[in-house]
Amino acid sequence: DQQVKQNSPSLSVQEGRISILNCDYTNSMFDYFLWYKKYPAEGPTFLISISSIKDKNEDGRFTVFLNKSAKHLSLHIVPSQPGDSAVYFCAASRLYGQNFVFGPGTRLSVLP
Amino acid sequence: DAGVTQSPTHLIKTRGQQVTLRCSPKSGHDTVSWYQQALGQGPQFIFQYYEEEERQRGNFPDRFSGHQFPNYSSELNVNALLLGDSALYLCASSWNRGSYEQYFGPGTRLTVT
Repeated sequence: DQQVKQNSPSLSVQEGRISILNCDYTNSMFDYFLWYKKYPAEGPTFLISISSIKDKNEDGRFTVFLNKSAKHLSLHIVPSQPGDSAVYFCAASRLYGQNFVFGPGTRLSVLP
Repeated sequence: DAGVTQSPTHLIKTRGQQVTLRCSPKSGHDTVSWYQQALGQGPQFIFQYYEEEERQRGNFPDRFSGHQFPNYSSELNVNALLLGDSALYLCASSWNRGSYEQYFGPGTRLTVT
């Protein structure tokens, strides 16, 4: 039973355009959310976070949107760059600082 | 500022053996979480250590155990290795009072033959 879903296994975007990665969750008790990107043979790199008291958080080219009623979050990358090509994971937690449940990941390819 | 470090990078073990993986948290962090990542999947939570105690545990058997030392570093031990234990083992550190964000190390690739 997957509590965190990333229904698009892969996504291709042209360089300079917007990348939108989506994540859905089933547990309404999740209050803390993280996005990571992962290159092959490396550990996940933290990108951006959001908690349920907010509906948007921005950090440079990355913006995360949270819709609690829909149990949906999305990561926007603008503008997309070839170096953004990686696997992106969203993760959710009920408890502050404790275990995170990860989605299966979306592979983003940014084409030059 | 040193990030999360893990050792060894790669490890090959035989079924039935035991293995110990090590993790040093990011400077200033006091909490260590361990995750298992199978090929093509997202990381799965194994357990978390804070103040040298296991604070939370995921759905993993007792063959998986851990320890946290006074300097906040941590070990993950796996006994009676099974072929299905082959995976990337990731350590993540965080600061209990400061933030819920977790920062990952590069991982240890364990292969069980």
